[in-house]
Amino acid sequence: SQTIHQWPATLVQPVGSPLSLECTVEGTSNPNLYWYRQAAGRGLQLLFYSIGIDQISSEVPQNLSASRPQDRQFILSSKKLLLSDSGFYLCAWSEGADTQYFGPGTRLTVL
Amino acid sequence: GDSVTQMEGPVTLSEEAFLTINCTYTATGYPSLFWYVQYPGEGLQLLLKATKADDKGSNKGFEATYRKETTSFHLEKGSVQVSDSAVYFCALSAGANFGNEKLTFGTGTRLTIIP
Repeated sequence: SQTIHQWPATLVQPVGSPLSLECTVEGTSNPNLYWYRQAAGRGLQLLFYSIGIDQISSEVPQNLSASRPQDRQFILSSKKLLLSDSGFYLCAWSEGADTQYFGPGTRLTVL
Repeated sequence: GDSVTQMEGPVTLSEEAFLTINCTYTATGYPSLFWYVQYPGEGLQLLLKATKADDKGSNKGFEATYRKETTSFHLEKGSVQVSDSAVYFCALSAGANFGNEKLTFGTGTRLTIIP
């Protein structure tokens, strides 16, 4: 069966520091991968999605970037965090069909 | 563009009450429709889905019917439990014909069940 992992589970970072969040999927090949952000008490915002290695689309211009160095690995990065980057970051995958399956999330607090 | 409109929350009900969370959508073509649930501090879990008109998705006592004529996908449960307390998201997918499988989410409805 397929599983999706995210780490770290929680992170507290100072403003201006770099960021790297990792997401990996097991049990499937060539999945579509997605990064979402959920601000406190709000809905989901799609940040990036990828249909293959090095094929990444950005949905919202911001100081974040994403990379997919391997088929089942998706990384969310920032060179300098802002206070507004705080939130709950969710990775998801889909297998060509339309259902997306979500990871456990990373709670990021920027101070 | 595609959009999903959900019932504003929060919703508070007593245990064993009947639940309805309204969801309507706007989309081109024939989208698939989903309900996801998010328990406190966790990621989203797929609760149920329907892929064509008049389909009924069901899981854990929850049901939703794809109504093309009213562009709706309302979530219902006959008797809620305290463990159903969570945030519920309605979503749609334009489908693979559009080249990718992005989901469009509603804003979420927070449900609290009191004993």
